[in-house]
Amino acid sequence: GAVVSQHPSWVICKSGTSVKIECRSLDFQATTMFWYRQFPKQSLMLMATSNEGSKATYEQGVEKDKFLINHASLTLSTLTVTSAHPEDSSFYICSAVPPAHYEQYFGPGTRLTVT
Amino acid sequence: AQSVTQLGSHVSVSEGALVLLRCNYSSSVPPYLFWYVQYPNQGLQLLLKYTTGATLVKGINGFEAEFKKSETSFHLTKPSAHMSDAAEYFCAVTYTGTASKLTFGTGTRLQVTL
Repeated sequence: GAVVSQHPSWVICKSGTSVKIECRSLDFQATTMFWYRQFPKQSLMLMATSNEGSKATYEQGVEKDKFLINHASLTLSTLTVTSAHPEDSSFYICSAVPPAHYEQYFGPGTRLTVT
Repeated sequence: AQSVTQLGSHVSVSEGALVLLRCNYSSSVPPYLFWYVQYPNQGLQLLLKYTTGATLVKGINGFEAEFKKSETSFHLTKPSAHMSDAAEYFCAVTYTGTASKLTFGTGTRLQVTL
């Protein structure tokens, strides 16, 4: 149980285009989802907290207009990287938390490469 | 504010040797502590967690960790390393009231040699 999927697992896009990453909780409902970014050989950096039906809460320094997060249902959150640039290339990981729980369940990650 | 410190960004052990990965935390309230493992280009897999109760926690793949409040530590150990243990390990902390927001350590890369 408690499986989280991400789609796509990897994506290559051209500079200036937008790309959407999906995070789904497959066997549970998630009132809260988190989006992280991970640079090579570094730890996870929390980008934003996504609560179903409300606006995402972004961490300091994360551009909310660039990284659009939508949590439209209890099993799906999306991260859209708008007008992507090479510096947005990174590994993006989501996690999901069931209601009244504290433990995060992580997705397998999405490798984004912007050329 | 809570924080996590992992001493040693890179640890190398021989196969069959003891694995010890260090984690110290700072939290003004009782913490929930986690150890995760990450293999290349993959997400995080939970190894073990401490919330309340028994301070010695056993996890998957033969790993265990002991919560020591007096030392604010939660070190990860395994009696005998296996080649398949080579990976990145992250310690993380949260506490109730934060909507499960995790604070991660910087990670320790474990290398296992023959």
